[in-house]
Amino acid sequence: SQTIHQWPATLVQPVGSPLSLECTVEGTSNPNLYWYRQAAGRGLQLLFYSVGIGQISSEVPQNLSASRPQDRQFILSSKKLLLSDSGFYLCAWTGLRGTGELFFGEGSRLTVL
Amino acid sequence: AQRVTQPEKLLSVFKGAPVELKCNYSYSGSPELFWYVQYSRQRLQLLLRHISRESIKGFTADLNKGETSFHLKKPFAQEEDSAMYYCALVSYNTDKLIFGTGTRLQVFP
Repeated sequence: SQTIHQWPATLVQPVGSPLSLECTVEGTSNPNLYWYRQAAGRGLQLLFYSVGIGQISSEVPQNLSASRPQDRQFILSSKKLLLSDSGFYLCAWTGLRGTGELFFGEGSRLTVL
Repeated sequence: AQRVTQPEKLLSVFKGAPVELKCNYSYSGSPELFWYVQYSRQRLQLLLRHISRESIKGFTADLNKGETSFHLKKPFAQEEDSAMYYCALVSYNTDKLIFGTGTRLQVFP
């Protein structure tokens, strides 16, 4: 069966520090991968999505970047965190193109102080 | 521009009362619409999709293209329905899922 893991689950970082959130999917190949941010009052905002290794689409200009070094690995990064980067980050995957059914990870809560 | 609007941040009802969670969309073409749900301490998961025309946990949603709406309904709410509900759309040209801001449903005993 397919599973998705993301870590760390909780992170507290000072302003200006770097960030790396990792997401891996098991039990499938060539998935579409997504990073969303869930912020209070803003719902789920699509940040990045990827249809293959090295292929990243950025949805919102911001202080974050994403990379997909392997088929089932998706990394969210920042060189210097801002206070506004605080939020709940969700990784998701889909294996069936166009169905709209995403499978979400448990999320990573980032607090920038 | 593709957009999903959920006008209510919070909806509170008593057990047994009817529930309607509102969702309106903006999209040129034929969107595919979904409802996702997040129960306390659980992952966000798909509840239902309009193309399936199914009823899940007593919930139904009808796509109204004239009103560009996809409201989620249940005739008799249960306490276990308390959760965060997100309406979403995807186009067949991409695999991007666009979510609304969500509505928190509270069902009181």
